[in-house]
Amino acid sequence: TQLLEQSPQFLSIQEGENLTVYCNSSSVFSSLQWYRQEPGEGPVLLVTVVTGGEVKKLKRLTFQFGDARKDSSLHITAAQPGDTGLYLCAGTSGTYKYIFGTGTRLKVLA
Amino acid sequence: EPEVTQTPSHQVTQMGQEVILRCVPISNHLYFYWYRQILGQKVEFLVSFYNNEISEKSEIFDDQFSVERPDGSNFTLKIRSTKLEDSAMYFCASRSHPSTDTQYFGPGTRLTVL
Repeated sequence: TQLLEQSPQFLSIQEGENLTVYCNSSSVFSSLQWYRQEPGEGPVLLVTVVTGGEVKKLKRLTFQFGDARKDSSLHITAAQPGDTGLYLCAGTSGTYKYIFGTGTRLKVLA
Repeated sequence: EPEVTQTPSHQVTQMGQEVILRCVPISNHLYFYWYRQILGQKVEFLVSFYNNEISEKSEIFDDQFSVERPDGSNFTLKIRSTKLEDSAMYFCASRSHPSTDTQYFGPGTRLTVL
């Protein structure tokens, strides 16, 4: 069974701090996605990474796919209160099925 | 920008009743999905649908569940006899093409089984 473990589960930081969220698995994924979810809403796609070692940047967010395509990280620089939310990673192995991670709940305090 | 829509936003039903959750995927998309998220838990894959048939399903998707694409636009999830533990947010998602792994989620339907 494929599993994606995210760490930390919860993170509370002050505005302006940097943080990194990790998404780890023992399985290889053909691609991995990062989402952000607000309470009562569906996940919103932030980025898709496909190639091992790939790094993508989205303003203050930097996403990296591990060389072996088993793990990924999300780094936020100078966090802002608007970054508060649930961050989810999801992977697929090229089948139709997407496996979601356990989630990281981020709170950025002003 | 095109988006996935879902109706109703909230459905309350009695245990044992049938419910149908509706989704309108993005119009040129070919792959369709249902996920559920029990309150406070992670998003769980239920089923994927392509070319008018189920392409993959999880162990959660038992005989009580069924999916259908009755016309060119709607994609439905039916739960025949709801149980208390079916209470969750149900999300529909769609994807355009096998060469892209990007799926787009709808806003979800909150199902409450009493």
